Amino acid sequence: EAGVTQSPTHLIKTRGQQATLRCSPISGHTSVYWYQQALGLGLQFLLWYDEGEERNRGNFPPRFSGRQFPNYSSELNVNALELEDSALYLCASSLVGLVSNQPQHFGDGTRLSIL
Amino acid sequence: EDQVTQSPEALRLQEGESSSLNCSYTVSGLRGLFWYRQDPGKGPEFLFTLYSAGEEKEKERLKATLTKKESFLHITAPKPEDSATYLCAVQAGYGGATNKLIFGTGTLLAVQP
Repeated sequence: EAGVTQSPTHLIKTRGQQATLRCSPISGHTSVYWYQQALGLGLQFLLWYDEGEERNRGNFPPRFSGRQFPNYSSELNVNALELEDSALYLCASSLVGLVSNQPQHFGDGTRLSIL
Repeated sequence: EDQVTQSPEALRLQEGESSSLNCSYTVSGLRGLFWYRQDPGKGPEFLFTLYSAGEEKEKERLKATLTKKESFLHITAPKPEDSATYLCAVQAGYGGATNKLIFGTGTLLAVQP
């Protein structure tokens, strides 16, 4: 069974540009989560989507946004990129999103570098 | 505020030398505690979920335990391939609006042959 897949693996942008990151969940999973892992910091929760709806967002500015498509895949958009946005962006998926304590399974991330 | 603290930050062991990693947490209403393993350049790999105090889970050389305030990941007779960063995360609160995981900063384990 295929795991969570993310693309691209690496992305290099300059300040002020926009970045789009993509994620395909494990087959049968309806919930998709996005996390940021900056160098030296722990994973920080960004966004949670389930059944096409944004269910929860972490303490990030509005220029971090995303969406979930009918096939449950998701994309994360980051506008007006800043140097501190350089990080590994991880996507995770889980079964039965609402009222759930099911484990989240992660992809290998997109490394976003801002020059 | 919900918080997860892991110790030690780094641990170096000789092959076969057993030890434990600690994860202490302060949360309102624990729904689950999760252990992950992360190798360099990779995403976290799910290991265990623990839901209530007294619960234990085992997988090969790893055993996870849970109390009301902390969790331990015991590593018995480790091998060099066990070298990785081990992450602890909690899911807290009630209701579907809180499915996010709150992560600790991890323990970097190095096992020398």
